[in-house]
Amino acid sequence: DTGVSQNPRHKITKRGQNVTFRCDPISEHNRLYWYRQTLGQGPEFLTYFQNEAQLEKSRLLSDRFSAERPKGSFSTLEIQRTEQGDSAMYLCASSPGHSADTQYFGPGTRLTVL
Amino acid sequence: AQTVTQSQPEMSVQEAETVTLSCTYDTSESDYYLFWYKQPPSRQMILVIRQEAYKQQNATENRFSVNFQKAAKSFSLKISDSQLGDAAMYFCAYRRGDAGNNRKLIWGLGTSLAVNP
Repeated sequence: DTGVSQNPRHKITKRGQNVTFRCDPISEHNRLYWYRQTLGQGPEFLTYFQNEAQLEKSRLLSDRFSAERPKGSFSTLEIQRTEQGDSAMYLCASSPGHSADTQYFGPGTRLTVL
Repeated sequence: AQTVTQSQPEMSVQEAETVTLSCTYDTSESDYYLFWYKQPPSRQMILVIRQEAYKQQNATENRFSVNFQKAAKSFSLKISDSQLGDAAMYFCAYRRGDAGNNRKLIWGLGTSLAVNP
């Protein structure tokens, strides 16, 4: 049973560019979550999917951010027109889907916007 | 709104000794879950232990145990026989129990634990 995987692990981009991150959840986990973590802070919730349905979005997820999970398996998080304030670690987690489930995290994607 | 507070930004412990990390939370809910996650320098977040609010018995996982005080809204983590590999950032997190579409974890700012040989 492999864990949550995220690609790329590191991304350096210039301000104004678009970036896309991928998350592959644990097999058969039907819930998938995205969080953002800046240095010295705890993670902040961005969005959550159950299967392919995006059920909750944080106000942190501005119009420049979009997330998809088209077939209920892997998910992508896209940031358009990146800003320096988008520099952070983007964490993905998945959970099995029952009411008392626990979220398991991937290694994260470190984004640096120059 | 629910909040999680970790009042100890940094802690240190001698190898083989015991250390307690503090966490308090604020909620008006009666059904919820509490978690401790560990984030080593490699940055992968790892679940340490979880506690269901409806359970009176404190959760334990090997050298890790919690002291859950529901009335005081306190959820401390005790690490016994500390090992060098326990050095990490520890985060306390909260999730509503009757989550429905609201399944997000709410996090504290973390406690950085150093283990001295």
